[in-house]
Formats: sequence, structure tokens, C-alpha cells
Amino acid sequence: GEDVEQSLFLSVREGDSSVINCTYTDSSSTYLYWYKQEPGAGLQLLTYIFSNMDMKQDQRLTVLLNKKDKHLSLRIADTQTGDSAIYFCAESSLGSSASKIIFGSGTRLSIRP
Amino acid sequence: EPEVTQTPSHQVTQMGQEVILRCVPISNHLYFYWYRQILGQKVEFLVSFYNNEISEKSEIFDDQFSVERPDGSNFTLKIRSTKLEDSAMYFCASSGYSNQPQHFGDGTRLSIL
Repeated sequence: GEDVEQSLFLSVREGDSSVINCTYTDSSSTYLYWYKQEPGAGLQLLTYIFSNMDMKQDQRLTVLLNKKDKHLSLRIADTQTGDSAIYFCAESSLGSSASKIIFGSGTRLSIRP
Repeated sequence: EPEVTQTPSHQVTQMGQEVILRCVPISNHLYFYWYRQILGQKVEFLVSFYNNEISEKSEIFDDQFSVERPDGSNFTLKIRSTKLEDSAMYFCASSGYSNQPQHFGDGTRLSIL
């Protein structure tokens, strides 16, 4: 079945760039997402990319998609303490008439001073 | 920006009791979803709903679960006879069309005693 894999932890120094990587298995994925979850909070849609794109930039966030390798990455430039959170990679493909999202386990990003 | 709202934020219920979790999706959205996240685990798809019927459900969504859109604004998840293993964070999501990004609420933390 579909699966999304990502590393569990990432630690970066404040001001550096963070790169969170993800792989997925479903070749029929239509959207790939990054969600952010702060402690005790909900899932905030950070950014998403359609599967026929290979890059999307939105302010400090850059998403790269390598569809051949089924690899997605999220780069956060100039990482700040407020970026500390769990980042979920996710994908969706059209099901019967609605798309379910398959999530990775989440990468916990911690920022060191 | 319109958002998905969920109530209550935290529900504590005795095992065997019925519980109803409530969601108000974004007003012009047509597709509705429930997901759950057991503590420390992945976010898992439960069910999708469109045009007043279930579009897809996962193996988790057994006969104890039901969903309803009782009026034009609410979308509810009912668990008929709760079990300890139903303790989790339950997220509601909605999207405008079937393959548009899903927007999530802040979740309801369900604790079964």
C-alpha cells in the first residue's frame, strides 16, 4: 500500500537552513504536502506541490520534488526558534471520489542557539 | 482566513460510553474528512464524506464509528461504545474539491478512562 517515510529528528543551528527529506511510494500521487504541528496544536498546512511541478518557493520555504525517485524535500531558510515543530510530509491521490491523505511519521525539528 | 473549527478541544469519557466529536468545515467546502493520531504515532485516515455519504473509509472505521452532516454547517464523528484504544487526537479536515488541499482543524483530544 501507500507509504510515506521521513527521518524522525533534525537539529539545526538558528540562522542555518533546515532540510527535511521524505520519500513516498504511490506513483499516482497528485498532491504532496508539508504540514507543521506545534506542541498540542493542530496540523497547519505549510505548503503543497502538485505532482507535475518540481519546485515551489514561498518566502523562506522551498519544496523540491523528484518524481522519478519519489523524493520530496522541504528547505526552511534562516531557521528561527519559532520553526521548532514536527513537520509531516504527506501525499494524496484521488480515491473513489475523495482524496485521503497519507502522512509520514513526522520529523521533529529542534533549533539550537 | 476561513478555518475548520472543532469542538470540544478535549473530551474525557468513560469506556463504553458514546461520544460525538463536532466539526464545522470551511463554509464553501464540499469534501469532509476525519483523521486520528494516537499519541506518538502517525496521523491516520478514518473516513471521507461527500454529497451526504461516505466516499471511503479505512479499516479503523468499523461499525462503532459513524459520521453525519446533520445540517448545513456541522460534520460529526460518533463513536458508539468507546474503547481505551480510541484515545487519540481526532482531526477534522475539509477541501473545496476532491483533490484540493485539505485544511485541518486543531483537533479534539479524546481520552477514554
